[in-house]
Amino acid sequence: GQNIDQPTEMTATEGAIVQINCTYQTSGFNGLFWYQQHAGEAPTFLSYNVLDGLEEKGRFSSFLSRSKGYSYLLLKELQMKDSASYLCAVNNDYKLSFGAGTTVTVRA
Amino acid sequence: DAGVIQSPRHEVTEMGQEVTLRCKPISGHDYLFWYRQTMMRGLELLIYFNNNVPIDDSGMPEDRFSAKMPNASFSTLKIQPSEPRDSAVYFCASYKGEGANEQFFGPGTRLTVL
Repeated sequence: GQNIDQPTEMTATEGAIVQINCTYQTSGFNGLFWYQQHAGEAPTFLSYNVLDGLEEKGRFSSFLSRSKGYSYLLLKELQMKDSASYLCAVNNDYKLSFGAGTTVTVRA
Repeated sequence: DAGVIQSPRHEVTEMGQEVTLRCKPISGHDYLFWYRQTMMRGLELLIYFNNNVPIDDSGMPEDRFSAKMPNASFSTLKIQPSEPRDSAVYFCASYKGEGANEQFFGPGTRLTVL
């Protein structure tokens, strides 16, 4: 079975940093995705981690620890447009299993 | 590239009616996925195809759901008969294959079954 947990909601101030954690217990693992989804829109790709460690891409960074079944997405220098739902997803032979998503609200 | 194209964008139908959702993947992508998103269950994989062949349909909820991919540029997801609990946003996504990371999602079809 698949068990993927992430917090339901987070609130932060414009310009701040927010870290969204994701823990997983899955029957198979090839890598972990982070997607961003604005209300009423499709998910869009942010990052994909296959190996342990931190990957940085502009204001967004993603970390993976396979031994701990743990990942996080770090959003720096928050902007109002970052208000969205953030979904972590485990890849198992092309099949993605998604967490319920974390709604991030950025306040001025 | 136009990205993944889905139609219709919105569909309202009555219980018992047949519903057909359509998807055109990105040209050159070998994989196509159908997902369903609801508040209660989140984003779930229903079925995926590789080179037009269904590979895994274990996420298809019931026999009322069926999906086809007659060629590399077109896929359908059909619900017959539809029920109110099928109300959801249905996303189609395509993926290029080995060496690529990202699944590209279409805009989705918001289905309401009354």
